[in-house]
Amino acid sequence: DIVMTQSPDSLAVSLGERATINCKSSQSVLSSSNNQKYLAWYQQKPGQPPKLLIYWASTREFGVPDRFSGSGSGTDFTLTISSLQAEDVAVYYCQQYYSAPPTFGQGTKLEIK
Amino acid sequence: QVQLVESGGGVVQPGRSLRLSCAASGFTFSGDAMHWVRQAPGKGLEWVAGVSYDGTNKYYVDSVKGRFTISRDNSKNTVYLQMNSLRPDDTAVYYCARDPIWGSSGTPYYFDYWGQGTLVTVSS
Repeated sequence: DIVMTQSPDSLAVSLGERATINCKSSQSVLSSSNNQKYLAWYQQKPGQPPKLLIYWASTREFGVPDRFSGSGSGTDFTLTISSLQAEDVAVYYCQQYYSAPPTFGQGTKLEIK
Repeated sequence: QVQLVESGGGVVQPGRSLRLSCAASGFTFSGDAMHWVRQAPGKGLEWVAGVSYDGTNKYYVDSVKGRFTISRDNSKNTVYLQMNSLRPDDTAVYYCARDPIWGSSGTPYYFDYWGQGTLVTVSS
């Protein structure tokens, strides 16, 4: 199974500042056949189910604010929130879907400093 | 709008069985793969099982193989998770989720809609 490791485990950022969350996969999730990166990001607020933010490593889901962006290579990925808002307090997860079983990172808790 | 509503959770003794259901609406259910993802109390997300849109392909995480069975009834817009031989470490909120990409071949993708979840507690 592909192991997904996020860093840091928790992060405190001031309102309006940039937040960066990292995700590393134990093997490449870049497909040579279609040049797509099989990586998604989710946001989970307390008491709520996860919400899809980004798929194919950098494609924002419909309705997701453009302050959220995703980037990365075959094994190292980043979720960036360009200007942190109060409503962005949540736990963020990355997930690979390059091979079964789909696996998630352990989560990164984002708080306001 | 897309709605996924789970039911069937509860408290069950170790070794017993439980069947979860997820009723879907707001989209063409028979055209999309469906999954179960769980979250133990205070922990992260773990994918459990997935079924392709037509029910022909199924995948399971190793820890539930031989104990859990995912199925779907496209006439009822419902996906199920039959859980047998339950263990305390199966205690979690179980979410159903839609996969908008996975066809009848290949492997699961990502999850664009999630239900609110149903809590399963395995305890004596």
